[in-house]
This record gives sequence, structure tokens and C-alpha cells, in this order.
Amino acid sequence: AQSVAQPEDQVNVAEGNPLTVKCTYSVSGNPYLFWYVQYPNRGLQFLLKYITGDNLVKGSYGFEAEFNKSQTSFHLKKPSALVSDSALYFCAVLSGFYGNNRLAFGKGNQVVVIP
Amino acid sequence: NAGVTQTPKFRILKIGQSMTLQCTQDMNHNYMYWYRQDPGMGLKLIYYSVGAGITDKGEVPNGYNVSRSTTEDFPLRLELAAPSQTSVYFCASSPSQGAQETQYFGPGTRLLVL
Repeated sequence: AQSVAQPEDQVNVAEGNPLTVKCTYSVSGNPYLFWYVQYPNRGLQFLLKYITGDNLVKGSYGFEAEFNKSQTSFHLKKPSALVSDSALYFCAVLSGFYGNNRLAFGKGNQVVVIP
Repeated sequence: NAGVTQTPKFRILKIGQSMTLQCTQDMNHNYMYWYRQDPGMGLKLIYYSVGAGITDKGEVPNGYNVSRSTTEDFPLRLELAAPSQTSVYFCASSPSQGAQETQYFGPGTRLLVL
């Protein structure tokens, strides 16, 4: 089985402050981890992913995420939040078994950046 | 390059009616997926396809059917609509490595079953 947990329903942050969105995962085997963002009335857009290699992954729009195997976490971060970062953020995990195509999404975190 | 397109954008169905949600991609991706998004529940995989003529069930396939006759198209069929199928439906595609690759999502179809 594979699953992710996004413990917070909503994250409020002031513009210019650091933004963190938390994600923990559970898989059998090696994980492939993803972050997607969804703006109102739009489909999901890819931000970044971890497959293997460096634990710190850099993605689109200044976002980065750190893979922590011991804590089974993959938190999304941005050093300085913008109002335009207000959106719904989804963490997703795939266990790296051959032929596994079932990406498991978390419930999502609403991020509100306050001007 | 239009990416992944979905039609219709919004539809209201009566209980027991049927409809087909259309999905087309122009990126020559082998893998295609159908998800439903319910508030506070994230996305749930309904069906997926690894290529023309090959489909497989996801996490929540009951009440739905799919077909994949071409690389480009992956329609989702609801035969007997039920209120529990009220949701937003997203189609996605990814290249030949499957779900470990980035998935590209369509804009979604909002379905209301009354």
C-alpha cells in the first residue's frame, strides 16, 4: 500500500515570509514523491519530484522540497511567499515497483498568502 | 500544443442517465489516467491506460467504464449516474515511463448528479 498524509487543512502565511507545506508518506519499497499545485478552477500543475539522488529537490516558481527517508517526509518549502502562491497543494507518492502506475495523492493543503 | 483537453466543462445529469466524459491529449503520451476530486479527499484514481487497447482499474472504478482505441483519446463512461458520482473529474497523461513521470492534467469536468 502507498499513502500520503498532509496534516494541515490550511496554511496561512504573510507575504515575504517562508512557506512550508508538510507531507509524510508510507510506501513499500523506494518512494517516488511529487508535489502538484492547483489554482482555482484549473487542473493540477507539476511543481517538482523526487525519484533518486540529491535529497533537496528544486522545482518551479522558486519551490523546493527535501526528501527525508528517516522521517518519511517530503515537505515543500519556499523562502519568500508571494500572494500568487495562494493555491491548493497536493503531495503524491508512488512506490517504485515495476508496473505500478497508481499515484496516491494526499487530500491537499490550502495555502493562503496574506498581503 | 493544446496538451490535455476535456469536454464538457460542466454537466448536470439526472439519476440514472448516462454520459461520456471526453479526454484528448496531443503529446503522444502512452499513459493516460482518470481521477475524481472530491472536497477534502484529494484525487482518487478511477482507471488508467498504458497504451491503446490496454486499460486497468484504479482505486475507485465502480460505476465507470473506459476504452482506449487510440493513443490520443481516453473517454470515461458513466452508465447509470448516481448522486455519489457528483465530483470534478480530471484526465491526465504521462510519457512512456508511466506514473513515475510527470503527469499533465486537463482543466477538469464538473459533474452534478441530481
